[in-house]
Amino acid sequence: DSGVTQTPKHLITATGQRVTLRCSPRSGDLSVYWYQQSLDQGLQFLIQYYNGEERAKGNILERFSAQQFPDLHSELNLSSLELGDSALYFCASSSQGAAYNSPLHFGNGTRLTVT
Amino acid sequence: SQQGEEDPQALSIQEGENATMNCSYKTSINNLQWYRQNSGRGLVHLILIRSNEREKHSGRLRVTLDTSKKSSSLLITASRAADTASYFCATDGGATNKLIFGTGTLLAVQP
Repeated sequence: DSGVTQTPKHLITATGQRVTLRCSPRSGDLSVYWYQQSLDQGLQFLIQYYNGEERAKGNILERFSAQQFPDLHSELNLSSLELGDSALYFCASSSQGAAYNSPLHFGNGTRLTVT
Repeated sequence: SQQGEEDPQALSIQEGENATMNCSYKTSINNLQWYRQNSGRGLVHLILIRSNEREKHSGRLRVTLDTSKKSSSLLITASRAADTASYFCATDGGATNKLIFGTGTLLAVQP
């Protein structure tokens, strides 16, 4: 058990809808990372927050947004959903602000299916 | 975009054999990490090797790093059926704070 909790585990929704994915990091970790994993794109880095502030941005679409709250949990909001957004969305946490300096601890992901 | 490319894409071996996976990356790095992913599950960190290190061991795992060739290898010795998983390398690209994962090697260990 990594200590990172993601909810929900599965989400099925229709095109054009909006969903929110939630992540609770491992106790004591200040950094939260969001990744998208799909068969055709592999594991893509979306965004990182460190202690409430955006720290790094990857291939995150404008339709997607995220935030980290004072209690350090994070939410990833996906709007105007398209079929191609169907994927596994992972949250990871680490103790440091620099991703390369320490291991990332991954949750078990939210599987999003857009129909 | 992928920073790292693993080779081979898929590998099938018998229990007890050694498995070697390779990772090549494009830019200079601070560190390189290896992760394992069981089907449909979250990634699990295996080992971190710093750019000034050449080799690192952890149990049955041995990682090497050649920064001049921009490549790394992961060796799993005496493999077990439970080692069946996808293995990813991840690098930072040197000047960025992003941890970018490679395309992964799917390892199947036959009992």
